[in-house]
Amino acid sequence: NAGVTQTPKFQVLKTGQSMTLQCAQDMNHNSMYWYRQDPGMGLRLIYYSASEGTTDKGEVPNGYNVSRLNKREFSLRLESAAPSQTSVYFCASSRTSGQATSYEQYFGPGTRLTVT
Amino acid sequence: GQQVMQIPQYQHVQEGEDFTTYCNSSTTLSNIQWYKQRPGGHPVFLIQLVKSGEVKKQKRLTFQFGEAKKNSSLHITATQTTDVGTYFCAANAGNNRKLIWGLGTSLAVNP
Repeated sequence: NAGVTQTPKFQVLKTGQSMTLQCAQDMNHNSMYWYRQDPGMGLRLIYYSASEGTTDKGEVPNGYNVSRLNKREFSLRLESAAPSQTSVYFCASSRTSGQATSYEQYFGPGTRLTVT
Repeated sequence: GQQVMQIPQYQHVQEGEDFTTYCNSSTTLSNIQWYKQRPGGHPVFLIQLVKSGEVKKQKRLTFQFGEAKKNSSLHITATQTTDVGTYFCAANAGNNRKLIWGLGTSLAVNP
């Protein structure tokens, strides 16, 4: 099992360019997440998907769009990149809990994005 | 919104010293999860606590969940250089199924 995979590992964009970050998991998880991590800011949720066909905004969704292509894949798109989107992006997945407590999340290796 | 406060933000210890990080909330938590992120790596799940007053151990790591389910701690006995990294707590509160993340405690260990 590869777990959660992300591509690319590194990316440099110019302001205004667009790109899609890819994420896939092979653990048959229903829930998938996109986070960004900035120094001193911890992990901030951008979007999540509780199941195939559904997506919801997280804490910092502005400037991003997502697609839950199928159960395995969850992509994050930056339509017009800005320097403020320079960050490390992590995709994660988990089983979906029917109760108030979440299952543990499994993270991908991350994409280090620089926008100049 | 709901927050989970994690302290300290940074901790620098000599190898062999103990280390503790705390996670505090003003509201009752349904659970607490702990993750470790090595420098340059990704967060890795360590443990989940659900019950009031719960204590769990993993080798030199001891995890506690407070009686009121508003705080938690991670204690490392006799730190080693392999313990270097950032430790995050994350929790659910109320009926919110989204995890609320602490900002993490970065641990540096001098050999």
